[in-house]
Amino acid sequence: QSVLTQPPSVSGAPGQRVTISCTGSTSNIGAGIDVHWYQHLPGTAPKLLIYGNDNRPSGVPDRFSGSKSGTSASLAITGLQTEDEANYYCQSYDDNLSTWVFGGGTKLTVL
Amino acid sequence: QVHLVQSGAEVKRPGASVKISCKASGYIFTSYYMYWVRLARGQGLEWMGRVNPSGAARSYAEKFQGRITLTRDPSTKTDYMELTNLRSEDTAIYYCARGSSGSTNNWFDPWGQGTLVTVSS
Repeated sequence: QSVLTQPPSVSGAPGQRVTISCTGSTSNIGAGIDVHWYQHLPGTAPKLLIYGNDNRPSGVPDRFSGSKSGTSASLAITGLQTEDEANYYCQSYDDNLSTWVFGGGTKLTVL
Repeated sequence: QVHLVQSGAEVKRPGASVKISCKASGYIFTSYYMYWVRLARGQGLEWMGRVNPSGAARSYAEKFQGRITLTRDPSTKTDYMELTNLRSEDTAIYYCARGSSGSTNNWFDPWGQGTLVTVSS
């Protein structure tokens, strides 16, 4: 059971917008700790997508955006493309556990 | 270009140990923390531990305390993760990942390509 909760799967048609939620608690996201997002294609290295809640590393398209409010965070992907099919993970730190924590991952299917 | 290259897949018997390497290039090795994360089938990513830039300090997730050892060799810009007393539940892909900092707001970038460890009798 992951400390951060994500939906197991989301889907959308090419060109559509999808959001992936990441729900935590007052000991991690709600404690003001940053949330980061990764894109992972099986067999490859996970790739940083969003850091510090809403910042994109260079090279990441602006179709990807992050937000945070209270004990939750969200990743939004607009203008869905087939190459966006991947697993997406949120990450933060938990003060009570004193560990870096991840969501269970969300598989995005582009229909 | 910042790059992390890990050692190849391993197959181990229950009770054995495994040592994975992670060779860094493209940045000042002794300026960054290295973190280790694993991904087991059907599970999410799981943080295992980290080593500080000098290699003098390590912290481990409670789950792995007593079984994990992180070391680094600045002369070869290589980090190592050793996990002992392996059990079938340790079958997973193991990743090294460079930390942005040592703070709790730290993120991981880049990641190594992953090393599959299979534990089977």
